Amino acid sequence: QVQLVESGGNVVQPGGSLRLSCAASGFTFSAYGMHWVRQAPGKGLEWVAVISYDGSTKYHADSVKGRFTISRDNSKNTLYLEMKSLRAEDTAEYYCAKDVDMWGNGWFPIGNWGQGGLVTVSS
Amino acid sequence: QTVVTQEPSFSVSPGGTVTLTCGLSSGSVSTSYYASWHQQTPGQAPRTLIYRTTTRSSGVPDRFSGSILGNKAALTITGAQADDESNYYCVLYMGSGSWVFGGGTKLTVL
Repeated sequence: QVQLVESGGNVVQPGGSLRLSCAASGFTFSAYGMHWVRQAPGKGLEWVAVISYDGSTKYHADSVKGRFTISRDNSKNTLYLEMKSLRAEDTAEYYCAKDVDMWGNGWFPIGNWGQGGLVTVSS
Repeated sequence: QTVVTQEPSFSVSPGGTVTLTCGLSSGSVSTSYYASWHQQTPGQAPRTLIYRTTTRSSGVPDRFSGSILGNKAALTITGAQADDESNYYCVLYMGSGSWVFGGGTKLTVL
């Protein structure tokens, strides 16, 4: 079955950087677009970024554009989120998620979710 | 920027039917927005219930259904059960690769 396992969450100082990873298994990773979604403590879900199945197309939310970058390594079945210039408001649980269908280029909805990884931005 | 609107809270009696909605601060929701619905209980990861407005995700009971009602997307739960007590989030596709979640509806079953 589909498994998505996030790692790399940590406590980081404001202005710092961090890279989240999401290890995928149970499906053909290279055939599916992937998303990152975050949730600040006690708040709702916020879409962060999406990447196409082959990594050629990427979109980011305005709130993270220019600071965060989504990427993937299909040879390692792994999704990444590179985060720079972190702010206190980036503190959240970060979920990776898989498209419902194959060959998505950013406009396929989410069908499966990981368990999340916590990023805390604090001095 | 367009805001996706949801009822902050709703309550339903066990066995009852409830319809949650997902709208836009400006304009109407159509099938072109690929509305999805996700259920989340506190401390847990979200779970996809409905995508592309009406398609039920694998393993989701058929008492969950999606539709367009008027100018909004809707999630209807028929025969509500105690373990349906959760937060429900809709998300809409805004074009150009951009997705926007609603603020979520906290559903109480009592």
